[in-house]
Amino acid sequence: TQLLEQSPQFLSIQEGENLTVYCNSSSVFSSLQWYRQEPGEGPVLLVTVVTGGEVKKLKRLTFQFGDARKDSSLHITAAQPGDTGLYLCAGDNYGQNFVFGPGTRLSVLP
Amino acid sequence: NAGVTQTPKFRVLKTGQSMTLLCAQDMNHEYMYWYRQDPGMGLRLIHYSVGEGTTAKGEVPDGYNVSRLKKQNFLLGLESAAPSQTSVYFCASSYLGLASYNEQFFGPGTRLTVL
Repeated sequence: TQLLEQSPQFLSIQEGENLTVYCNSSSVFSSLQWYRQEPGEGPVLLVTVVTGGEVKKLKRLTFQFGDARKDSSLHITAAQPGDTGLYLCAGDNYGQNFVFGPGTRLSVLP
Repeated sequence: NAGVTQTPKFRVLKTGQSMTLLCAQDMNHEYMYWYRQDPGMGLRLIHYSVGEGTTAKGEVPDGYNVSRLKKQNFLLGLESAAPSQTSVYFCASSYLGLASYNEQFFGPGTRLTVL
């Protein structure tokens, strides 16, 4: 059983569509990060959310941290082919563990 | 700045062979990490270092050894490779420690196949 679960595992959409991917846990996290990994490269940090209920926007990407600090979501508006990649969430539960989720693999077709 | 670099990019080993993966960072980071990435498993921490001359075990350390003789380098060794060690290996570094309020900077990865 993984500490962080992500859904969906795979997502294929057309350019211009909106999408939401999820990161869930039964544990409480002090903060969560979202990374994007492109094929053949290492992950790159997109955002860190630290406060329960927090919403952060990065251009067309909106990140939300759940009120209970057990889940997070990433919403992409008007997806573009450049958004294609593996989206990973990562977090630490107050110093006990630092873990990555298994990722959501997104493919945006032109 | 090159950031985090890894060598080699690809390697094929036979069962029982040994090899060393090299990671180098030019950001003067104290903390360095080795992860492995397998399909459906995410990134799992193998070993990490909180400074020159120190190492510590992560989530999946068995079958691997590490050394941090210089601040900028972190080496990952496989003494006797097994097919279960077929994976993509990522090195990362950070200014502060392993917590989700700190950004980790990753290298491009090494794809290792053990036959």
